Amino acid sequence: NAGVTQTPKFQVLKTGQSMTLQCAQDMNHEYMSWYRQDPGMGLRLIHYSVGAGITDQGEVPNGYNVSRSTTEDFPLRLLSAAPSQTSVYFCASRGTSGSNTGELFFGEGSRLTVL
Amino acid sequence: AQSVTQLGSHVSVSEGALVLLRCNYSSSVPPYLFWYVQYPNQGLQLLLKYTSAATLVKGINGFEAEFKKSETSFHLTKPSAHMSDAAEYFCAVTTYSSASKIIFGSGTRLSIRP
Repeated sequence: NAGVTQTPKFQVLKTGQSMTLQCAQDMNHEYMSWYRQDPGMGLRLIHYSVGAGITDQGEVPNGYNVSRSTTEDFPLRLLSAAPSQTSVYFCASRGTSGSNTGELFFGEGSRLTVL
Repeated sequence: AQSVTQLGSHVSVSEGALVLLRCNYSSSVPPYLFWYVQYPNQGLQLLLKYTSAATLVKGINGFEAEFKKSETSFHLTKPSAHMSDAAEYFCAVTTYSSASKIIFGSGTRLSIRP
């Protein structure tokens, strides 16, 4: 089973460049989310989605855009990269089935460096 | 809104000693609470979860946690540490709503001394 797949695993950008981190899951999960992980700050929620066509902001949404056109995919867009966006990014999904007790399934992470 | 505070960014114990990782939460409605573990260069995996059933929750690898509403705590324990337990541990909170976001604490890095 593929689970949650993130691409690319590594990326180096220059300040001002744009890029998209891809996330796909094959578990038919309604809930998908993006986190960034920085030393000493744990995982901070960027954006999340509870279904196709529905997205909402997390704790640190500035500088990032998302869309959810299908259940499977939840791309994260950086429109104009800044050095402060250097981080490791994790995509995670969860089934809902009417409750919120399910565990999050994480991708392997995408390490982004902005020069 | 929910939040999580993990006390101690780094905990070091001897092999065979008790492991205690602290987590306190804030939530305006009854919370669901989780502990996740992250091994180096990997994603996170679930250790255990509290979802309003038994207050003492047992997880994988011999870990357990107790939900204490009066103390707003969900501390993670293991009676006897093993070298393989060295990792980073994250506490997370959400609520019963399927639309509720999941918020993580800042993490605690656990080191095991031989």
